[in-house]
Amino acid sequence: GAVVSQHPSWVICKSGTSVKIECRSLDFQATTMFWYRQFPKQSLMLMATSNEGSKATYEQGVEKDKFLINHASLTLSTLTVTSAHPEDSSFYICSARGSEASSYNEQFFGPGTRLTVL
Amino acid sequence: QKEVEQNSGPLSVPEGAIASLNCTYSDRVSQSFFWYRQYSGKSPELIMSIYSNGDKEDGRFTAQLNKASQYVSLLIRDSQPSDSATYLCAVTKAAGNKLTFGGGTRVLVKP
Repeated sequence: GAVVSQHPSWVICKSGTSVKIECRSLDFQATTMFWYRQFPKQSLMLMATSNEGSKATYEQGVEKDKFLINHASLTLSTLTVTSAHPEDSSFYICSARGSEASSYNEQFFGPGTRLTVL
Repeated sequence: QKEVEQNSGPLSVPEGAIASLNCTYSDRVSQSFFWYRQYSGKSPELIMSIYSNGDKEDGRFTAQLNKASQYVSLLIRDSQPSDSATYLCAVTKAAGNKLTFGGGTRVLVKP
């Protein structure tokens, strides 16, 4: 149980294009999903928290217009990096958490998406 | 002072020995504590969670929590080369469910 998938696992794009990353909880309903990014040899940095059906809460310093998050259902959240630039190249990881009443009341991470912007 | 602190390592242990990892946290309202393992180039994998003082064992892993001293530790018994990874300590507060991560401890298990 507690499987979280991400798609794509890696993507290479040209500067100025937009990239959408999907995060799915496969065997439980995720009331909350989180998006992180991680640069080489650094720890995870939380970008935003999203609850199903409501707007995401962004961490300080994260541009909400650049990193669009949608959590339209209890099993799917998407992160769109708009007008990507080389400095956006990073490892993007989502995590999902079930409700407090469920057996999945912990954060389970997806496998990550490696984004390279040329 | 960082909210969650870990020794960055590397912690080098011989195969079959016990690896002992420590983590301290600064916020006393912290209530949930987690250990994640992260292999190079991969995402974190939850290996232990602990919510109350004392020890919690799961296979070769034992988590220990001492809220009065504000530390949580992880013991890995019979360490294997496959345990070589970075171990992340993470904490959540009662009011929300955001994880606050430590910087991670790199563990190297030598055959």
